[in-house]
Amino acid sequence: DAGVIQSPRHEVTEMGQEVTLRCKPISGHDYLFWYRQTMMRGLELLIYFNNNVPIDDSGMPEDRFSAKMPNASFSTLKIQPSEPRDSAVYFCASRQSNNRNTIYFGEGSWLTVV
Amino acid sequence: GENVEQHPSTLSVQEGDSAVIKCTYSDSASNYFPWYKQELGKRPQLIIDIRSNVGEKKDQRIAVTLNKTAKHFSLHITETQPEDSAVYFCAASFPSGNTPLVFGKGTRLSVIA
Repeated sequence: DAGVIQSPRHEVTEMGQEVTLRCKPISGHDYLFWYRQTMMRGLELLIYFNNNVPIDDSGMPEDRFSAKMPNASFSTLKIQPSEPRDSAVYFCASRQSNNRNTIYFGEGSWLTVV
Repeated sequence: GENVEQHPSTLSVQEGDSAVIKCTYSDSASNYFPWYKQELGKRPQLIIDIRSNVGEKKDQRIAVTLNKTAKHFSLHITETQPEDSAVYFCAASFPSGNTPLVFGKGTRLSVIA
């Protein structure tokens, strides 16, 4: 398996622009997580899905952030409008329902908003 | 909800020495504790995990200990090597169900040759 695939790997955008980050989870995994990593806050859970349904979005910082999972193999995280403080690495991760809670991370999307 | 505290935030050791990273958790119902290693510019990757029915687990040079009474767990790396330099994250959760992992803020380990 290719693992969790994220795109783009790097994005630099101007403040006010819309940013869309994409994720393909590992095939067969029914949980998908979006994390944000910064030096100050570490790894923060933004939102997660189970069987394509959002379960908990309490970590989404503001209404400017939204996430969707239209099918089992694709999810997006959108920021509109983007601000400099959104600059971070955004990780997508997935896991399979079983008796372990191990999650597998993608390579991350490095976002810089100038 | 669960809260995980991790210490220290940075740690420097001489090559060959041991390194210990400690975490505490708040929810006594948590019973799954993984550790992730993140090398510079890379994704976090699982290196070892432990469940609450076990007090210690070892895998070559790394080991994890768990004290459920005190609600803390630790990562031990022996005979450190330069390639052990990375950021290490602890996490806690229930082993199944809908609860996601809650991560500590990470420890930046530097192994000095």
